[in-house]
Amino acid sequence: AQSVTQPDIHITVSEGASLELRCNYSYGATPYLFWYVQSPGQGLQLLLKYFSGDTLVQGIKGFEAEFKRSQSSFNLRKPSVHWSDAAEYFCAVGAGNTGKLIFGQGTTLQVKP
Amino acid sequence: GAGVSQSPSNKVTEKGKDVELRCDPISGHTALYWYRQSLGQGLEFLIYFQGNSAPDKSGLPSDRFSAERTGGSVSTLTIQRTQQEDSAVYLCASSLGGGFGYTFGSGTRLTVV
Repeated sequence: AQSVTQPDIHITVSEGASLELRCNYSYGATPYLFWYVQSPGQGLQLLLKYFSGDTLVQGIKGFEAEFKRSQSSFNLRKPSVHWSDAAEYFCAVGAGNTGKLIFGQGTTLQVKP
Repeated sequence: GAGVSQSPSNKVTEKGKDVELRCDPISGHTALYWYRQSLGQGLEFLIYFQGNSAPDKSGLPSDRFSAERTGGSVSTLTIQRTQQEDSAVYLCASSLGGGFGYTFGSGTRLTVV
């Protein structure tokens, strides 16, 4: 069965520091992979997605993620974090044509001044 | 419409009452999904509609939960005889299907007292 693990429940980084949020998935074929962000009191917004091709994908707000098949990972990165990036981040995996996504438990990002 | 619209945004109900939550997807999106987000938890899949196909109800937690989608557009999630454990944010999303990724609504926060 498909599953997604986000090992870090809570991460704190200083403003301007680099960020990496981890995501590991379990799926038998090439997955569709997504990162969503949820700001406090807001809905979920799509940051980026991977379907095929180049394993390094660029998203909105300066985020990028790299698909590593050998590690079953899709980690999210940002070179320099801004205070407005404080939010909850969800990794998700989808399969086939159903569009049904399985989400990880989320990682809460806190940004220190 | 321009986005996924959910109503009401907040609902407080007494234990044992029935509630209906509404989702109006983006025009032209053939797929519609309901998820539940409990405090501190990830997103729990509930149900998925794709075009005229039979819905995937595999995530509905009990027979008190049901959903319908009329005319391939608006969807209503109904919870009968609400319990306190039903308190959560109910999120609706729509997509073009497959791996396009979702557009989420802002959710309905349900509180059962």
